[in-house]
Amino acid sequence: KQEVTQIPAALSVPEGENLVLNCSFTDSAIYNLQWFRQDPGKGLTSLLLIQSSQREQTSGRLNASLDKSSGRSTLYIAASQPGDSATYLCAVRQGNTPLVFGKGTRLSVIA
Amino acid sequence: NAGVMQNPRHLVRRRGQEARLRCSPMKGHSHVYWYRQLPEEGLKFMVYLQKENIIDESGMPKERFSAEFPKEGPSILRIQQVVRGDSAAYFCASSPGHNYGYTFGSGTRLTVV
Repeated sequence: KQEVTQIPAALSVPEGENLVLNCSFTDSAIYNLQWFRQDPGKGLTSLLLIQSSQREQTSGRLNASLDKSSGRSTLYIAASQPGDSATYLCAVRQGNTPLVFGKGTRLSVIA
Repeated sequence: NAGVMQNPRHLVRRRGQEARLRCSPMKGHSHVYWYRQLPEEGLKFMVYLQKENIIDESGMPKERFSAEFPKEGPSILRIQQVVRGDSAAYFCASSPGHNYGYTFGSGTRLTVV
């Protein structure tokens, strides 16, 4: 059974700092990996989707990498801003099975 | 494209009543997924449907919960005889196929009083 772990559970950084969020998964035979953002009381916003054949994806100040063989992904956020404060969720998909989510990293960017 | 539409946004039910949650997938998306999120917990998969078919219901409680995705109209998650423990945020997501990412709706927040 696939399990997804996100470390740290919570992170607080000053504005402007670069940061890395970590995601690990137990079964490396994944189809794709998706990073989401969730604001309090809101739905999930997709940030980046990485297919199993890809090593990384970039969108603006966000860069996600995937090392399938070691079961790891990182989300790099450059020049963090208070508006980046949210919970970041990592999820993996295997074949025909639905996405399996980690519990998320709660990020606070302090002005 | 209006995205994934869920309604109602908030739903209050008394214990023993029925709750019906609706989800209209994005245009062109034939795969629908329902997840439940309890306070301070992660998203837990409930059920995966394609038009008129339940593909995977391994996350659905065996009693009181059912889901459908008819040929016409939205997907419905139905909870009969609700209990306080059913209070949670219920999210629907859709995708056009296995190779693609999910798009989530804004969720329905169910409160059982």
